[in-house]
Amino acid sequence: QVQLQESGPGLVKPSETLSLTCTVSGGSMSNYYWSWLRQPAGKGLEWIGRTYSSGNANYNPSLESRVTVSTDTSKNQFSLKLTSVTAADTGVYYCARHRGYYDTSGYYDSFDIWGQGTMVTVSS
Amino acid sequence: DNQMTQSPSPLSASVGDRVTITCRASQNIGRHLNWYQKKPGQAPKLLIHSASSLQSGVPSRFSGSGSGTDFTLTIDSLQPEDFATYYCQESYDTTLFGPGTKVDIK
Repeated sequence: QVQLQESGPGLVKPSETLSLTCTVSGGSMSNYYWSWLRQPAGKGLEWIGRTYSSGNANYNPSLESRVTVSTDTSKNQFSLKLTSVTAADTGVYYCARHRGYYDTSGYYDSFDIWGQGTMVTVSS
Repeated sequence: DNQMTQSPSPLSASVGDRVTITCRASQNIGRHLNWYQKKPGQAPKLLIHSASSLQSGVPSRFSGSGSGTDFTLTIDSLQPEDFATYYCQESYDTTLFGPGTKVDIK
């Protein structure tokens, strides 16, 4: 079965770039969307951005100017870069797979497989 | 921009109770609504997709209903492992989560 695992530094200095990688095991990245999400301490879930296996990407408008999500299907990985971080970017970061399908009334999308999450703290 | 709200929060209940959580969208999102269960230290778990379809492997005591702007998640006969925070998520226009409903022990 498909499993996701986040990796990257747990501590990032203010104004620097947060970089995380999600490794996909047990299956192919082909023909799926893959996303990054986060949850600041004591707050709710926020979608950051997604990439398709072909490399196309879409972002949360509130973060778009600072975010890049990219795919490396040869390594079965996708990555997140978030620039100019502040304390407000502290939280648990998750990678997730999209479950999408069409029916007569449109395209339906959800997150069916998630990584365990990795805590990232922004502090000097 | 669409906004998602949930009620009640928190929700206090006992084992065996029937629990209903409401999610409301500020704009019509059809059936593009998903429900997740989140426990501390764990990843979110997809329970319901497309407003009312039970995700594979999820117990049948969970059910979802609604369309347009008003949706509900119902848990029949609450079990000890169901005490958690529940989030709705719209996938119609963008990807937006509700603020969450924490179900705790009465």
